[in-house]
Amino acid sequence: DGGITQSPKYLFRKEGQNVTLSCEQNLNHDAMYWYRQDPGQGLRLIYYSQIVNDFQKGDIAEGYSVSREKKESFPLTVTSAQKNPTAFYLCASRKTGTGINYGYTFGSGTRLTVV
Amino acid sequence: KNQVEQSPQSLIILEGKNCTLQCNYTVSPFSNLRWYKQDTGRGPVSLTIMTFSENTKSNGRYTATLDADTKQSSLHITASQLSDSASYICVVSATTGNQFYFGTGTSLTVIP
Repeated sequence: DGGITQSPKYLFRKEGQNVTLSCEQNLNHDAMYWYRQDPGQGLRLIYYSQIVNDFQKGDIAEGYSVSREKKESFPLTVTSAQKNPTAFYLCASRKTGTGINYGYTFGSGTRLTVV
Repeated sequence: KNQVEQSPQSLIILEGKNCTLQCNYTVSPFSNLRWYKQDTGRGPVSLTIMTFSENTKSNGRYTATLDADTKQSSLHITASQLSDSASYICVVSATTGNQFYFGTGTSLTVIP
């Protein structure tokens, strides 16, 4: 079955460490996204990519980095510069375009905790 | 400014009761509106998709309505179950700019 897979489900980071969250999709979607979700808040866009080897900053990109070397993969690195990284991270993908066939498919999320 | 606002922010209801969640938007030009259900610790899953020409769409006990004139949508849940406890997110897309606009969600808790 086609889908989008995030790993790991839970991740613990020590102060000053960089960690990388994995996101893989086999839906043949061109666009991929990373969102951060804090308790009681909506989704906030970190980075997105609409094509391989190209990505754009979202609303809260500081302290994060991404790469898009393959269409299927869009890993997110949370760097030590991100001062408050504890949150739930969601990856999403979709076909580019408008209309009912171009909605988001979300992964199941990664919960990152700083220890 | 394109915005999506949801109300209430949170809601607690008894099992078996009905409830209605609201989504108001100012997105223009409107393409479609989606309701997602997000269980705790999981990613959002699409419930319904509404286009400009659709007024009502059902998915089991979930019924979504759309009034494109007033730019309002509602999600009605009938005979609620404990498994309905989740966050419900409204997402509106525009026909131009490839843009999607997210509401902040309604947190629903169904209690026995």
